[in-house]
Amino acid sequence: AQSVTQPDIHITVSEGASLELRCNYSYGATPYLFWYVQSPGQGLQLLLKYFSGDTLVQGIKGFEAEFKRSQSSFNLRKPSVHWSDAAEYFCARGGGSNYKLTFGKGTLLTVNP
Amino acid sequence: DGGITQSPKYLFRKEGQNVTLSCEQNLNHDAMYWYRQDPGQGLRLIYYSQIVNDFQKGDIAEGYSVSREKKESFPLTVTSAQKNPTAFYLCASSWTTTPYNEQFFGPGTRLTVL
Repeated sequence: AQSVTQPDIHITVSEGASLELRCNYSYGATPYLFWYVQSPGQGLQLLLKYFSGDTLVQGIKGFEAEFKRSQSSFNLRKPSVHWSDAAEYFCARGGGSNYKLTFGKGTLLTVNP
Repeated sequence: DGGITQSPKYLFRKEGQNVTLSCEQNLNHDAMYWYRQDPGQGLRLIYYSQIVNDFQKGDIAEGYSVSREKKESFPLTVTSAQKNPTAFYLCASSWTTTPYNEQFFGPGTRLTVL
């Protein structure tokens, strides 16, 4: 079965610091990978997605992610975090034998002033 | 503006009552989904629909029911058979269920059983 692992439940960074959120997916052909962000009490917003091609993907709000097949990883990065980036971040993968989008359990980001 | 609306935002239910959560989209998407979110658990798929008059069970369908009579609407009923219904419920839609299609999410409904 497909799985997505986000090893960090909670990360705290200072405003202006760099950020990397980790995501590992179960091995499988042609993973379709997504990063979503959720503000408290709100729905999810897509940050970026990867299907094929260039392994470094640019998204909205200054985020990027790098797909590394050898490590089954799709880590999210941002060079300089803003206080408004405080939220919960979800990695997800599609593909496989069904239509399901499998989500990780999320990483909560706290930004200190 | 195109998007997905869910109502109500907050819903309180007494034990033993059925309750229906509304989800409407004006994106002209064929596919719609219902997820349940619990703290620290990520999102779990309850039901999905690829097209009008068709729907399929997801991972945690027990105690829930859906209908898809119109393309724009995909209501979810939480029945009294659902043992632990208190959660945050998210509706989503996409052009199709093809895995590379982005899913767009509504703002969610928080259901609390009293």
